[in-house]
Amino acid sequence: DIQMTQSPSSLSASVGDRVTITCRASQTIASFLNWYQQKPGKAPKLLIHGASSLQSGVTSRFSGSGSGTDFTLTISSLQPEDFATYYCQQSYSSPLTFGGGTKVEIK
Amino acid sequence: QVQLQESGPGLVKPSETLSLTCTVSGGSMTSMTSSNYYWGWIRQPPGKGLDWIGNIYHSGTTYYNPSLKSRVTISVDTSKKQFSLKLSSVTAADTAVYYCARRTIVGAYTDAFDTWGQGTMVIVSS
Repeated sequence: DIQMTQSPSSLSASVGDRVTITCRASQTIASFLNWYQQKPGKAPKLLIHGASSLQSGVTSRFSGSGSGTDFTLTISSLQPEDFATYYCQQSYSSPLTFGGGTKVEIK
Repeated sequence: QVQLQESGPGLVKPSETLSLTCTVSGGSMTSMTSSNYYWGWIRQPPGKGLDWIGNIYHSGTTYYNPSLKSRVTISVDTSKKQFSLKLSSVTAADTAVYYCARRTIVGAYTDAFDTWGQGTMVIVSS
């Protein structure tokens, strides 16, 4: 199985901050990397697919980059509605696997 | 706009079989049979991360997580616009929020769960 490791597991940031979350795959996954946002009690929401493609309807504050084994999700200017947990997920090979999550909290 | 809704018992006894159904609404009549879509289940134990259970194609072809494969069955009924999950011999470790989701595969690298149900909590307890 491909292991997905996110860092940090949590972070505190202020509104307006630039936030970067990292995801590392245990083996190369090309650009088969997705990012999701999950708020408490809600289903995950797709933000980024194919490592860098913004899902339709998602604000351009979110961006993704990377290929191979190292990927990043960047929030350019953190807004109150962005406080949530973020997950990466690889779709390169079965079984599909998710990272452990990064909780973004208010500083 | 396609919407997904899970349904099924919220409490299952240990050693019994967990059964959930996901109903697909909205979108076109052919949405379930589009070649771009797989239909799947993902679960999230309380306070933990997300675990992929498996997917099914409209033809009935299934893909399961090997960690659960011996206990999982996913089936589809396109005429009812539903797909279902059965997980046998459950234990407390199967307590989780269960989500159904649409997996969309388009183009070179787009392969993601783009539509999710709201999730349903299933507790395994006697």
